[in-house]
Amino acid sequence: GAVVSQHPSWVICKSGTSVKIECRSLDFQATTMFWYRQFPKQSLMLMATSNEGSKATYEQGVEKDKFLINHASLTLSTLTVTSAHPEDSSFYICSARAKKMDYGYTFGSGTRLTVV
Amino acid sequence: DQQVKQNSPSLSVQEGRISILNCDYTNSMFDYFLWYKKYPAEGPTFLISISSIKDKNEDGRFTVFLNKSAKHLSLHIVPSQPGDSAVYFCAALDNTDKLIFGTGTRLQVFP
Repeated sequence: GAVVSQHPSWVICKSGTSVKIECRSLDFQATTMFWYRQFPKQSLMLMATSNEGSKATYEQGVEKDKFLINHASLTLSTLTVTSAHPEDSSFYICSARAKKMDYGYTFGSGTRLTVV
Repeated sequence: DQQVKQNSPSLSVQEGRISILNCDYTNSMFDYFLWYKKYPAEGPTFLISISSIKDKNEDGRFTVFLNKSAKHLSLHIVPSQPGDSAVYFCAALDNTDKLIFGTGTRLQVFP
């Protein structure tokens, strides 16, 4: 089955620093990857959609200069939280969709980011 | 504006009984729905889905029912097992193929 690997699973960083989260599709090519954010006891909110080789499409209210997304290959997308602040602390999850998968969204295991 | 709603934040069911998780949506253009199971600090795992051309889809202990006129779907788990304890999210695909998630229902199955 399709596997998506997300790293790191948790990270603690100081306020003002940047953090990079990687999302890899291990056994399929993902033309589209999605980045979600989940606050405690809340829904998964889509942040942005990234397509290989093109700029990411951000959802309303998501700062694209703060949450940099790069989808340089068909198996890797990265999310960089720049100049992190405590309010950026959250659970970030990526999802990938294969070229020929019919509605097949596979999720990574998530990254717990804590900014201190 | 929450387009997909799960009005019950939690549900407690005895082992062996049926668990029924409900989901309502507002956008009549949604035509594909999915249920995901999620443990703390993990990503969601796909459970079962249903297309709007159907009103029922069954996979083992899991059955999803769709009532398009009421814009309502439900997930039935029978018999419920302690390992089913998790947070369940329903999701709908919008016309740009994005997943819109509900707020989740925490299911606890007790012995």
